[in-house]
Amino acid sequence: DTAVSQTPKYLVTQMGNDKSIKCEQNLGHDTMYWYKQDSKKFLKIMFSYNNKELIINETVPNRFSPKSPDKAHLNLHINSLELGDSAVYFCASTGADYGYTFGSGTRLTVV
Amino acid sequence: SQKIEQNSEALNIQEGKTATLTCNYTNYSPAYLQWYRQDPGRGPVFLLLIRENEKEKRKERLKVTFDTTLKQSLFHITASQPADSATYLCALLARGSSNTGKLIFGQGTTLQVKP
Repeated sequence: DTAVSQTPKYLVTQMGNDKSIKCEQNLGHDTMYWYKQDSKKFLKIMFSYNNKELIINETVPNRFSPKSPDKAHLNLHINSLELGDSAVYFCASTGADYGYTFGSGTRLTVV
Repeated sequence: SQKIEQNSEALNIQEGKTATLTCNYTNYSPAYLQWYRQDPGRGPVFLLLIRENEKEKRKERLKVTFDTTLKQSLFHITASQPADSATYLCALLARGSSNTGKLIFGQGTTLQVKP
């Protein structure tokens, strides 16, 4: 069983479109995150939810909107996609041991 | 400014040797530091966590040290194998961020172990 699963794995879309990435964890963790990994491999935090409540909202364009319908799911919706949004987006969750469990990533390419 | 830095140059070593990777930080007071492994096209995988009051942690062939005076963590892989080839990321949680769990990542060091 996949612990943290993201869909889709690859997403190619045109500028200006709206797209969503879904994330689900079956670990029973309370806290989930979205991270962005750019072409230089830096992982930067975007959002964090704890038990459906937003607790971290970094300096991210408001075209990005996370949604957590329950503590096992954290989705990311992106409006009006731009070329600079191209990156790999990782979902992660954490429990009491503080180690993050990451999904396998969604490679977003905006053309 | 706050920084967490890893050697951006790839580390190439011979199989059987010990690999040592460095993570330096500036203007942070870490509650703890973590190390992750990332393979191409995959998400990072958690390896070890070391707290600010710990000097050393071991797990099988892995060893992490933490020197809060030098503001540095070292990650060692003993008896390295080609299967250890990957990118290794360090990440810290600043004191005061425990309630959010917000990890700050370094850019990673790529390790290549040659047979």
